[in-house]
Amino acid sequence: GAGVSQTPSNKVTEKGKYVELRCDPISGHTALYWYRQSLGQGPEFLIYFQGTGAADDSGLPNDRFFAVRPEGSVSTLKIQRTERGDSAVYLCASSKTSPSGGDGEQFFGPGTRLTVL
Amino acid sequence: SQQGEEDPQALSIQEGENATMNCSYKTSINNLQWYRQNSGRGLVHLILIRSNEREKHSGRLRVTLDTSKKSSSLLITASRAADTASYFCATDASSGNTPLVFGKGTRLSVIA
Repeated sequence: GAGVSQTPSNKVTEKGKYVELRCDPISGHTALYWYRQSLGQGPEFLIYFQGTGAADDSGLPNDRFFAVRPEGSVSTLKIQRTERGDSAVYLCASSKTSPSGGDGEQFFGPGTRLTVL
Repeated sequence: SQQGEEDPQALSIQEGENATMNCSYKTSINNLQWYRQNSGRGLVHLILIRSNEREKHSGRLRVTLDTSKKSSSLLITASRAADTASYFCATDASSGNTPLVFGKGTRLSVIA
């Protein structure tokens, strides 16, 4: 059983460019989360999907950030007009959904380190 | 915004000693989880304690939760060099699948 995978593992881009970060959750996990972690800080929530729909996108910092999960499995985080302040590790996690709600244990991928020059 | 604060921010101990890390949080929670992170990459889930539980054990790990003080502690007994990592507490406010709110973490160094 594979865990959560993320690609690429590292991405270096120039200010103003567009980037896409991909997350493959654990098979069968309906909930998928994106977090961002800056150096020396804990992960901060960006957006959460339940199936194909974004259940909560309140953590997205501005409208340059967008995420999709069209078939309820793989998700792509998209960042337009990147800025140097977007440099961080972007973490994806997935979890099961049970009829009773579940414990909420989230399984994390290895992250994508984004560097904006 | 960050929910919790871990204390201390950094901890350095000798192999074989016990390590205690504390976490405080601000709002009511459904459960509290501890994660470990090596080299700033993926987080590994260590243990989950529900809001109606006070103590939980898993191998060399012992977690306590005091909801009246909005605090938790993680004890690692008989530490090993491989325990060197950053440790984070994370909370969620309701049952089911909700985003986690993390603290800033404690960086633990275990010296062989």
